Amino acid sequence: EAQVTQNPRYLITVTGKKLTVTCSQNMNHEYMSWYRQDPGLGLRQIYYSMNVEVTDKGDVPEGYKVSRKEKRNFPLILESPSPNQTSLYFCASSLRGQSDTQYFGPGTRLTVL
Amino acid sequence: AQSVAQPEDQVNVAEGNPLTVKCTYSVSGNPYLFWYVQYPNRGLQFLLKYITGDNLVKGSYGFEAEFNKSQTSFHLKKPSALVSDSALYFCAVSPSGGSYIPTFGRGTSLIVHP
Repeated sequence: EAQVTQNPRYLITVTGKKLTVTCSQNMNHEYMSWYRQDPGLGLRQIYYSMNVEVTDKGDVPEGYKVSRKEKRNFPLILESPSPNQTSLYFCASSLRGQSDTQYFGPGTRLTVL
Repeated sequence: AQSVAQPEDQVNVAEGNPLTVKCTYSVSGNPYLFWYVQYPNRGLQFLLKYITGDNLVKGSYGFEAEFNKSQTSFHLKKPSALVSDSALYFCAVSPSGGSYIPTFGRGTSLIVHP
């Protein structure tokens, strides 16, 4: 089944404790991205990647890192999480880039205390 | 800068009645327009998109949307609503071509009453 998977689905952590949210897609898509969803704000893009070793900032990249060492994986790293990063995070992939249909993972609900 | 407006936070409709979820946009050049649906505790799912061509776009689950260039709108419609259509709906826009970050609206909660 074609899908985007994320782990963990739920995470409660404390300020400053480094964490990684994994994302993997099995559709051989070149393009992957991370979004955060906050009430009343819709989805905002954090980072995106056009291909292996090619990443760029989205609209809200502060406090986040990403890496793209393999085509299928695109982990999101919070090196020193803060409470304002409490949010619902989605990974997405697409075949041809930003203007193409996005396929979303199930989401990761992160709470930073 | 591009933008998307979904003017209604919530739309209520009775089952069997037609539904409309509104979306207006602002973008330089020709737009790519999308509708996504989010069911509780799930990721966003693609419904339909407008790239070029026929202004009336048909998508999944009986939904359709009409692209209106003069009114810069892309309203989502369905002739007969189902209770199972209750979900959060997002409109998104991206300029055609290039590597432009898509902009999503704030979302509209659709509630279909039995």
